[in-house]
Amino acid sequence: NAGVTQTPKFRILKIGQSMTLQCTQDMNHNYMYWYRQDPGMGLKLIYYSVGAGITDKGEVPNGYNVSRSTTEDFPLRLELAAPSQTSVYFCASSFAGTNQPQHFGDGTRLSIL
Amino acid sequence: GQQVMQIPQYQHVQEGEDFTTYCNSSTTLSNIQWYKQRPGGHPVFLIQLVKSGEVKKQKRLTFQFGEAKKNSSLHITATQTTDVGTYFCAYGSSNTGKLIFGQGTTLQVKP
Repeated sequence: NAGVTQTPKFRILKIGQSMTLQCTQDMNHNYMYWYRQDPGMGLKLIYYSVGAGITDKGEVPNGYNVSRSTTEDFPLRLELAAPSQTSVYFCASSFAGTNQPQHFGDGTRLSIL
Repeated sequence: GQQVMQIPQYQHVQEGEDFTTYCNSSTTLSNIQWYKQRPGGHPVFLIQLVKSGEVKKQKRLTFQFGEAKKNSSLHITATQTTDVGTYFCAYGSSNTGKLIFGQGTTLQVKP
């Protein structure tokens, strides 16, 4: 099993550009999450999904959008990239809710210049 | 809103010394999870505690959940350089499906 796969691993964007961070999992997990981690800081929840077709906002959703058309995929869209969105983005999944461990991808390191 | 405070933020120890990080909440938690993140890596699940007063061990790591379910600790006995990383506690918001992470404790071990 590959687990949680994120692409790309690194990306540099110019201010105002848009991009989609890809996340796919092959564990048939219902719950998926997007976090951002700024240098030396903890994890901030951006968006999460409890199943295909269902998404909800986390702590820091502004500037981002998500969709969940399949169980496997949970892409994160950045519109009009800003320097404040420079961060490491982690996708995670779990079989059920908060009583199950979360499995994380390797992350996408994104710089906005 | 509900949140957890982790202390200390940083800890430098000599190899072989013990290490403890604490996770404190102002409200009762339904469960608590612990994760480890190596430098440049991603968080990796270590353990989950759900019962009041629960104690679990993994080799040199001992995890505790307080009697009131408002605090938790992770204790490492005789640290090794492989223990370097950031340790996060996280609690579940059971009615939303969200997991909220503490700020983490970064452990440095001097050989």
